[in-house]
Amino acid sequence: GNSVTQMEGPVTLSEEAFLTINCTYTATGYPSLFWYVQYPGEGLQLLLKATKADDKGSNKGFEATYRKETTSFHLEKGSVQVSDSAVYFCALITGTASKLTFGTGTRLQVTL
Amino acid sequence: EAGVAQSPRYKIIEKRQSVAFWCNPISGHATLYWYQQILGQGPKLLIQFQNNGVVDDSQLPKDRFSAERLKGVDSTLKIQPAKLEDSAVYLCASSLPGLNTGELFFGEGSRLTVL
Repeated sequence: GNSVTQMEGPVTLSEEAFLTINCTYTATGYPSLFWYVQYPGEGLQLLLKATKADDKGSNKGFEATYRKETTSFHLEKGSVQVSDSAVYFCALITGTASKLTFGTGTRLQVTL
Repeated sequence: EAGVAQSPRYKIIEKRQSVAFWCNPISGHATLYWYQQILGQGPKLLIQFQNNGVVDDSQLPKDRFSAERLKGVDSTLKIQPAKLEDSAVYLCASSLPGLNTGELFFGEGSRLTVL
């Protein structure tokens, strides 16, 4: 079956630090990959996605590259801000499963 | 554009009591989902509707959970009787009709505490 593994949190960084949140997956077929973000008091929202190998998704300064050879989709940002403090979820969907499978989430806290 | 609306935001009940959650999806979104998010875990799909038909309810504990979407718009998720392990945030999401692309729009969730 499908599964997503994320690095454990919380991740605490100072403002302007470089961010990496690791995500690896197992899937039957060829998945589409997603990062969702949940800001405090808000619902989950799609941050970025990639639908095939070597695609790079990007949004709000965040990037993630679909690496089929390592089955990974790591989230990166060059310079985090306090406003990026949130919980980040890696997720995947395959045509056969047709439902979104989420990782456990990684909490990011950015301090001044 | 109005987002996905859910109510109530918070509910505290005792075990063996019942509870219902309501969701109104984004206008025009034919697909509606209910997810359960237990603290420290990722959201888990409970049930997926396409219009008013059930597409996937394989992980819905049908002995105590039920959901309906009678007119293909808003939906209700019910738990009866509740157990301690049902304490979670219940997330409703919707998406545009067509291929399942994984691009879901979520509500803020309904947090249930079972004592």
